[in-house]
Amino acid sequence: DIQMTQSPSSLSASVGDRVTITCRASQGISNYLAWYQQKPGNIPKLLIYVASTLQSGVPSRFSGSGSGTDFTLTINSLQPEDVGTYYCQKMRGGPLTFGGGTTVEI
Amino acid sequence: QVQLVQSGAEVKKPGASVKISCQASGDIFTKYYIHWVRQAPGQGLEWMGIINPNGGATRYAQKFQGRVTMTSDTSTSTVYLDVSSLRSEDTAIYYCARDFVVVPPTIKEIADYYYYGLKVWGRGTSISVSS
Repeated sequence: DIQMTQSPSSLSASVGDRVTITCRASQGISNYLAWYQQKPGNIPKLLIYVASTLQSGVPSRFSGSGSGTDFTLTINSLQPEDVGTYYCQKMRGGPLTFGGGTTVEI
Repeated sequence: QVQLVQSGAEVKKPGASVKISCQASGDIFTKYYIHWVRQAPGQGLEWMGIINPNGGATRYAQKFQGRVTMTSDTSTSTVYLDVSSLRSEDTAIYYCARDFVVVPPTIKEIADYYYYGLKVWGRGTSISVSS
């Protein structure tokens, strides 16, 4: 099975910072990758699909890029409400594995 | 408004089985695959499997093969997750979720090109396994 590895596992940044989270697939998955945000005590929320398409209603400071095995989620100008854990998920080929998550703190 | 309403918390002993439910409202039940995802306390998300409510086809993560069964009841717009031989490591919140991509009614199987991202989530069902 294809493994999904996120890095870092946690980070601390300041309001207004640019934050980058990486997700690496053990084999190529084209652009079939989704990103989710899970705020403390809440259910996951879909942010991005097919690697770079922003889900409706998601602030434009969030962006995604990548294809094949390497993907990034970028938060431009981090806001206090962005605190939470971010997960990538492969959306093709076998089990729809999630990455281990990246916890973002301020 | 599309919703997935899950059943209440369960407390079980090791070795027991549990069956939890996820009822869809606000849209045609059979239009979307339903996924099950679990999250152990303080841990990440773990994809368990998927069901096509239109016909009942399923696909499970290998880890859960033989111990998990997903079923659907179109008359009540409900999908079920049955987990047997429970152990303490199964203590988690279990979520049902669906994609935003509509599955054509002629599709009875599980096909890769009908999942892009899990847009609608239930609130989760807590299953606690303890002796």
